[in-house]
Formats: sequence, structure tokens, C-alpha cells
Amino acid sequence: NAGVTQTPKFQVLKTGQSMTLQCAQDMNHEYMSWYRQDPGMGLRLIHYSVGAGITDQGEVPNGYNVSRSTTEDFPLRLLSAAPSQTSVYFCASTQSHGLFVEAFFGQGTRLTVV
Amino acid sequence: DAKTTQPNSMESNEEEPVHLPCNHSTISGTDYIHWYRQLPSQGPEYVIHGLTSNVNNRMASLAIAEDRKSSTLILHRATLRDAAVYYCILSGGTSYGKLTFGQGTILTVHP
Repeated sequence: NAGVTQTPKFQVLKTGQSMTLQCAQDMNHEYMSWYRQDPGMGLRLIHYSVGAGITDQGEVPNGYNVSRSTTEDFPLRLLSAAPSQTSVYFCASTQSHGLFVEAFFGQGTRLTVV
Repeated sequence: DAKTTQPNSMESNEEEPVHLPCNHSTISGTDYIHWYRQLPSQGPEYVIHGLTSNVNNRMASLAIAEDRKSSTLILHRATLRDAAVYYCILSGGTSYGKLTFGQGTILTVHP
């Protein structure tokens, strides 16, 4: 059981380049989220999705786009990378049991923008 | 969202119990208390959750104060593998799977 798979694990971009961070889950979860984690900080929510075709912004959405065409996949797009987007990115797939939330996280993508 | 307060860091010796505190004085009646941990260079992983009663699972125990304004994650016998950042998170209402992370507690385990 793969759980949540993120690719790539590492990426270096030049300022202004675009790229897509991939996230796939095989648990048939409705909810998926993208977080970023800067050094010494907790995770901050970028975008989230409550199901195929439905996405919404989190705390730090600027500079990022998402889409959810299938239940399994939730890619994160950087349209024009900036050094401020250097961070570790985590994708999460969440199972909601009423008010209790159990999230499963990928291993992360370490992105450096130079 | 209700806020949590945790110590920045704690230390323990291997095979000793560890009590990680969390204050959440503005918790609402429907908020669950979750604990996640993040091992070095990994994504966070679920540890335990509770609402009102104390909870035990294979990883840890969660002790919740009677007024629910604080809780304690208990690792009964710390191992080197338990060295991680521990996050105490509240979630309730319509969260849509979102979690709000604070800075957490960095746990160091000495051999």
C-alpha cells in the first residue's frame, strides 16, 4: 500500500521557471492538501481539495495553482518560481471520521529556487 | 481556529517516559485534540487523538485535563527513534481535512 506518493523528491529551479509537483494517493480519500514547511517552522497550508473538481485556498496560496481532476491526484503548480518559494512541500491525504481528522503525508519535495 | 501552546524543546533519556505538554485554553466543545510527529526529513505522521477521555494506542497515551484546556502526550519508554518534532493540533467543525500546525516541540532523546 503506497499511501501518498510525491514526486520529485528534490528539485532545483531557476527564478521564473515553472514546474508541477505531483501528488498521488491510493486510499480513495476525499480530502487532499498541500503544505509548505520553511526551516524551523511548522507546516502552512497552501491549497486544499474536498473532492474531484473542488479546490480552495489555504493560508499561503499566492504563487501556486492546483487542480483536482481525479480523486487520486492533486498536483501543485508553480507558474513562475521565486526564491521565496524555496521550501519543503508536503502533500497530505485525509480521512475524515466526523470531526476527527487523520492525515497521511507524503515524504516531501525539497525545492530550491535560485 | 483555537490555538495551542507547546514548549519549544524537551529532552529525555532513552527508555525513560516522556511527557509532552500542550495548552489549548480556547478549545471548543467539538474540537478534537490531535498529535502528530515529524521525524527528521520525513512528513508528519499521526500519533494519537482524543476528545474528552484519556486514550492509549500502540505508540503513545494521551491524557486530557478534565476542563480540556490542556493535554499531555505520554511516550512510555522513549527510544532514539522517537526523536522528532511533536505537534499538538486542534481540529473541529468542518475542517475539510485541514490541519493548522504550530511550531511544535522538538524532542531530543539521549542514549
